[in-house]
Amino acid sequence: KQEVTQIPAALSVPEGENLVLNCSFTDSAIYNLQWFRQDPGKGLTSLLLIQSSQREQTSGRLNASLDKSSGRSTLYIAASQPGDSATYLCAVTYNAGNMLTFGGGTRLMVKP
Amino acid sequence: DAGITQSPRHKVTETGTPVTLRCHQTENHRYMYWYRQDPGHGLRLIHYSYGVKDTDKGEVSDGYSVSRSKTEDFLLTLESATSSQTSVYFCAISVTSGSTDTQYFGPGTRLTVL
Repeated sequence: KQEVTQIPAALSVPEGENLVLNCSFTDSAIYNLQWFRQDPGKGLTSLLLIQSSQREQTSGRLNASLDKSSGRSTLYIAASQPGDSATYLCAVTYNAGNMLTFGGGTRLMVKP
Repeated sequence: DAGITQSPRHKVTETGTPVTLRCHQTENHRYMYWYRQDPGHGLRLIHYSYGVKDTDKGEVSDGYSVSRSKTEDFLLTLESATSSQTSVYFCAISVTSGSTDTQYFGPGTRLTVL
């Protein structure tokens, strides 16, 4: 059974810091990896998707990297803001159209 | 939000009653999914569909059934609700763009079984 792990489970940083969230997966034969954001009581918002052939993707202050061989992905958030406070989830899929396997998430708090 | 709506958004029901949750998409995407989210377990797939009348089981399908009679609607039914099915239920679709399949999620349905 594929497993996805996110460390740390919770993180608190002062505003303005650059930070890295980690995601690891046991089966490296992934099709793609997605990072999501979830605000309390809300649904999931897709942030970035990295295909298995790619090394990184960028969107604004977010940069996601993928190292398939080591089974790791990182989400880098530059110049963090209080509005970035949320739970960040990574998820992998192994085939086109197939189910996502989720990590447990990292709960981020950015303090003003 | 990729044009996904879920209804109802909140529901309280009693053990043993049937419950149906609806997911509706405004476009004709082929793949649709039902997940549940629980503290300590994260998000887990219940069932998914790859076309009208084509469905398959996910990781936690016991106690649930699904139907897809139209491309735009995917229904999740709890035949006889139990307290262990108290959860937040999310519908998702897979959107294909070139060689990329991205999943987008609906707003969720919070179900409480008393």
